[in-house]
Amino acid sequence: QVHFVQSGAEVKKPGASVKVSCKASGYTFNNYAIHWVRQAPGQRLEWMGWIYPGNGNTKYSQKFQGRVTITTDTSTAYMELSSLRSEDTAVYYCAREERNYEEGGFWFDVWGQGTLVTVSS
Amino acid sequence: SYELTQPPSVSVSPGQTASITCSGDKLGDKYVCWYQQRPDQSPVLVIYQDSRRPSGIPERFSGSNSGNTATLTISGTQALDEADYYCQAWDSTTDIYVFGTGTKVTVL
Repeated sequence: QVHFVQSGAEVKKPGASVKVSCKASGYTFNNYAIHWVRQAPGQRLEWMGWIYPGNGNTKYSQKFQGRVTITTDTSTAYMELSSLRSEDTAVYYCAREERNYEEGGFWFDVWGQGTLVTVSS
Repeated sequence: SYELTQPPSVSVSPGQTASITCSGDKLGDKYVCWYQQRPDQSPVLVIYQDSRRPSGIPERFSGSNSGNTATLTISGTQALDEADYYCQAWDSTTDIYVFGTGTKVTVL
């Protein structure tokens, strides 16, 4: 079945970068967009951006533009966030987008287990 | 930027009906999906395209969307439904995916 496995927890100092991976299995990787979503402690889900592995197209939230880079290779998606600050402490999730092209509408049908990134001096 | 607003909390007695609203400008013109997130777990899709249930989601979960408000309804609420719930929509103007503010459902 469709499954995502994310890389392990990270602890970083302010100003550093972090790269989180998300390995997919159980489906044709190139046919579905993958999104990255983060959740700070006690806060809501926050969309960061997506990539379509089939052609490498990306779209980022304006909030993270210039600091986030989403890439893929083979069956793995990566999210790199630079210039880290304490407010970036959060659990980072990857999620697969499913879409109904005839009727419209999308949804995130499969999520990774999450990766905790802690930014602390 | 597009905003989706939910009530912070909803309380319900076991077996009763819980209704969670999600408000946004002309939300009825967009498709809405809903996610359940139990403590320390990843979100799980419970409703997509306003009212459709993924396989494996109990029939007690239902959804609607009209005007400026989408609603997730949990009928015959059970203790295991206690979780945070988030609505989500896509803003075509900015090509941005937006999550609601989240609602904590407590089963008393």
